[in-house]
Amino acid sequence: AQSVTQLGSHVSVSEGALVLLRCNYSSSVPPYLFWYVQYPNQGLQLLLKYTSAATLVKGINGFEAEFKKSETSFHLTKPSAHMSDAAEYFCAVSKDTGRRALTFGSGTRLQVQP
Amino acid sequence: EAQVTQNPRYLITVTGKKLTVTCSQNMNHEYMSWYRQDPGLGLRQIYYSMNVEVTDKGDVPEGYKVSRKEKRNFPLILESPSPNQTSLYFCASSLSTGTRSNEQFFGPGTRLTVL
Repeated sequence: AQSVTQLGSHVSVSEGALVLLRCNYSSSVPPYLFWYVQYPNQGLQLLLKYTSAATLVKGINGFEAEFKKSETSFHLTKPSAHMSDAAEYFCAVSKDTGRRALTFGSGTRLQVQP
Repeated sequence: EAQVTQNPRYLITVTGKKLTVTCSQNMNHEYMSWYRQDPGLGLRQIYYSMNVEVTDKGDVPEGYKVSRKEKRNFPLILESPSPNQTSLYFCASSLSTGTRSNEQFFGPGTRLTVL
């Protein structure tokens, strides 16, 4: 069975500081992993996805994530936080091919302090 | 503009009063799905559809029904809503071709309150 754990329900950083949002997964098959962002009162928007082509994945808005099989991790990073990055971030793993459901972590709310 | 739309965006209702939340996508996607989002639980799949007239249960289907008569529409039906169905609901769609790496596109959400 696939599952996702996001460490830290709330993360606060200063503007310009490094953003690190943690995600660990378990999967019985080679995983496909996703990071989604949810801005207030909006739906989920895909930031990036890992599909085994490359372990370092670059996404939109300057975010990237590195797939580390040995650590079963897929942490999201951004070198320099902007105020506009304040949102909730969800890590997700794709389930079996039949249901194609995404299993989501519980989310991490990112605050960016001026 | 490619998008998934949901209506209504906000709904307050009472226990037992049947309601339908509509979902429509204009991307010609075969796959559509409903999720509910609850604090601390992330998103959980309710039902999904691989194509027209093909639907199946997700992780939390109890108390919900769906139908897929047309490719673009995937309504979520609550025959007799209860307070534990108070939640934020998202519809999503994606291509079915290829692998499970296909991105799912999400609607803006419907916030439902059942009193």
